[in-house]
Amino acid sequence: DTEVTQTPKHLVMGMTNKKSLKCEQHMGHRAMYWYKQKAKKPPELMFVYSYEKLSINESVPSRFSPECPNSSLLNLHLHALQPEDSALYLCASSQVDEKLFFGSGTQLSVL
Amino acid sequence: AQSVTQLDSHVSVSEGTPVLLRCNYSSSYSPSLFWYVQHPNKGLQLLLKYTSAATLVKGINGFEAEFKKSETSFHLTKPSAHMSDAAEYFCVVSEGDSWGKLQFGAGTQVVVTP
Repeated sequence: DTEVTQTPKHLVMGMTNKKSLKCEQHMGHRAMYWYKQKAKKPPELMFVYSYEKLSINESVPSRFSPECPNSSLLNLHLHALQPEDSALYLCASSQVDEKLFFGSGTQLSVL
Repeated sequence: AQSVTQLDSHVSVSEGTPVLLRCNYSSSYSPSLFWYVQHPNKGLQLLLKYTSAATLVKGINGFEAEFKKSETSFHLTKPSAHMSDAAEYFCVVSEGDSWGKLQFGAGTQVVVTP
């Protein structure tokens, strides 16, 4: 299994909603990542978990809250988002210091 | 500090003709370099990776890239374009002392015409 699975594929939420994005991998990778990608732009790193501990936080607003329940799962909790947060959210995983495997992403629209 | 510049934001080729995507990098250390491809509404897929073992790197789907330290370049090529190669391509650099932080280029949109 060489896949990173993200759910849901699409999400529409209001600014007062609370929702979660989920990511799962079964490749035994010990690093997992969240990226944000706006249309026609490269991905921007948000968070990195290494061995289930948050190792990089790129000064992301607190309305985004990551969680790594175990080595195979990564969540991104969303609360009180703004319309400018609408984007494709990509999860990735890797062995430490190795190439990244990306999921297909969650297309998020904030109304 | 590391940075990467993709010299073309848009490349249009005819099916069956060669593809060249240009990438220059700046790095204080011996970098790892990658090319990723992203098809519409999809995640990124790794095409190939350079880590100093060989300057000519072969990847998937017939792509290859040559690392030229003197020119700080890592250009991506394919001898014969296929319609399925139409996508966005990203050149990416990673330095050994900043693991987890990849620097993405701005991307090159490839259009393949019949």
